[in-house]
Amino acid sequence: DIQMTQSPSSLSASVGDRVTITCQASQDISNYLNWYQQKPMKAPKLLIYEASNLETGVPSRFSGSGSGTDFTFTISSLQPEDIATYYCQQYNIVPITFGQGTRLEIK
Amino acid sequence: EVQLVDSGGGLIQPGGSLSLSCAASGFTVSGNYMSWVRQAPGKGLEWVSVIYTGGNTYYADSVKGRFTISRDNSKNTLYLQMSSLRVEDTAIYYCARARRGSWGAFDVWGQGTMVTVSS
Repeated sequence: DIQMTQSPSSLSASVGDRVTITCQASQDISNYLNWYQQKPMKAPKLLIYEASNLETGVPSRFSGSGSGTDFTFTISSLQPEDIATYYCQQYNIVPITFGQGTRLEIK
Repeated sequence: EVQLVDSGGGLIQPGGSLSLSCAASGFTVSGNYMSWVRQAPGKGLEWVSVIYTGGNTYYADSVKGRFTISRDNSKNTLYLQMSSLRVEDTAIYYCARARRGSWGAFDVWGQGTMVTVSS
């Protein structure tokens, strides 16, 4: 199975800050990497697909980059509504695997 | 409106069986790759199973041989038949649709249904 190592596991930032989360795959997954946002008691929401493509309707302050084994997710200017847990996910091969999640809090 | 509605969760004893349903509207389950994803209380996301448009199915090792994914095209509904349930299967189960052109980018999710395995 492909292991997805996400970091940090939690972070605290101020409104307006630039926030970066990284995800490393245990083997080459090309660009088959997605990012999700999950708020408490809610289903996950797709933000970025294929490493760098912004899902329809998602604000442009969210972005993603990377390929191969190393990926980055960025919020350019943190907003209060961005408080959530974020997950990376690979789908290069079965089984699909997720990172362990990054819990984002407001400082 | 494109929507998935999960149902069928509940409290079940270890070793028991349960069937989950996921009713789709606004699109056809047969025309999309459909998956089940679960989340144990306070834990992260775990992919469970996928059914391809052509009917091929795949499972996580943790559920292989115990869970069966299927669909009923006439009812436009996805199912997850679970048997030999274990305490560690306790989780919220979500069905999810993969976006067009992908088999693993989940753009539509059900609201989730809770399965509790306990004696």
